[in-house]
Amino acid sequence: NAGVTQTPKFQVLKTGQSMTLQCAQDMNHEYMSWYRQDPGMGLRLIHYSVGAGITDQGEVPNGYNVSRSTTEDFPLRLLSAAPSQTSVYFCASRPLAGPHEQYFGPGTRLTVT
Amino acid sequence: AQTVTQSQPEMSVQEAETVTLSCTYDTSESDYYLFWYKQPPSRQMILVIRQEAYKQQNATENRFSVNFQKAAKSFSLKISDSQLGDAAMYFCAYRSAGGGADGLTFGKGTHLIIQP
Repeated sequence: NAGVTQTPKFQVLKTGQSMTLQCAQDMNHEYMSWYRQDPGMGLRLIHYSVGAGITDQGEVPNGYNVSRSTTEDFPLRLLSAAPSQTSVYFCASRPLAGPHEQYFGPGTRLTVT
Repeated sequence: AQTVTQSQPEMSVQEAETVTLSCTYDTSESDYYLFWYKQPPSRQMILVIRQEAYKQQNATENRFSVNFQKAAKSFSLKISDSQLGDAAMYFCAYRSAGGGADGLTFGKGTHLIIQP
């Protein structure tokens, strides 16, 4: 049982490049989400999904796309990276209803130069 | 929109002593969940404790306990017998209980230092 996995752990991009952050969970959780963590800002919700084929925007969605074709996978796409997207990105999952904790992946540190 | 405020950017405590981290939140909802997460230097987010708003009894997990004051919208974390391994960033987080689709709203965190 691997929990929530994220790849890569570190990434450096040039402005304008695109990339996909991968996220997978093996707990059969309906709910998956992406957060970004910036110094002094805590974690902020980017996008979330309540099940395969359903996604929605969080607090800071601009510049990011997501899709959910399977229960297990929830990739985050940066179409044209900007220096403002330099951050640590966390994927998380949980059962849809109830007071369940979010299970977080180990994070991806992204630097855009 | 809900907001979560952690007013202590940094706290320091002697090993084996007790420390309390503060958290206040603003919401118009009556049913919600509150969480404390720990983030050590490894950056992994680890759940410390959770509280359901409809439960009057304060949650406890070993050396960790909360003081939940619903009317005051306060949710402080008490760490007893502090250990070196408790050194980390601590985040307070809020989630609405309605619908299931809501994400977590986090405070900005408190950096806890344990003095040996």
